[in-house]
Amino acid sequence: GDSVTQMEGPVTLSEEAFLTINCTYTATGYPSLFWYVQYPGEGLQLLLKATKADDKGSNKGFEATYRKETTSFHLEKGSVQVSDSAVYFCALSGRNNAGKSTFGDGTTLTVKP
Amino acid sequence: KAGVTQTPRYLIKTRGQQVTLSCSPISGHRSVSWYQQTPGQGLQFLFEYFSETQRNKGNFPGRFSGRQFSNSRSEMNVSTLELGDSALYLCASSSGLQSSYNEQFFGPGTRLTVL
Repeated sequence: GDSVTQMEGPVTLSEEAFLTINCTYTATGYPSLFWYVQYPGEGLQLLLKATKADDKGSNKGFEATYRKETTSFHLEKGSVQVSDSAVYFCALSGRNNAGKSTFGDGTTLTVKP
Repeated sequence: KAGVTQTPRYLIKTRGQQVTLSCSPISGHRSVSWYQQTPGQGLQFLFEYFSETQRNKGNFPGRFSGRQFSNSRSEMNVSTLELGDSALYLCASSSGLQSSYNEQFFGPGTRLTVL
């Protein structure tokens, strides 16, 4: 079945540092890929998405590129802020299972001033 | 547009009881999915309803059930509660169309504690 493997956390960075959170996946066909963010006490918010190979999703300074050859979708941000502290989830959704997403275990990011 | 709403936000129950959680999707969305989030197991898919029919189902026991109404609102029910059912239950809505652009929009969750 489908699966998503995320870089283990927690990750602690200083403000303005570069962020990478690794994500690889296993799926049949060509899934859509997503990054969600969860702030304390809240549900998940979609951060960015990519729907086909070589697509780059971007939002709020975060970027991730759909790499089919390496089955990866790594999240990057050039300069993190304290407000980026949250839990980040990589997820995939098959084209024929649009209502069912498979999530990674989540990576907790803490950014210190 | 109003977001996904879930009620109640918090629940405390005892073992053996049953519980019903409610989810109202974004207006116009026909798909509602439910997930269980726990520290040990992460986010696990429970089931998805589309136009009042269960379209996808995860690997949970029959104690977990759900339904969807004609206005797309959904409820999930857990019977004979166990301590391990303590979790954050998240509802997500989407258009439900089988396309590659089908991201899900999540509610704030219902925190269930079983004592």
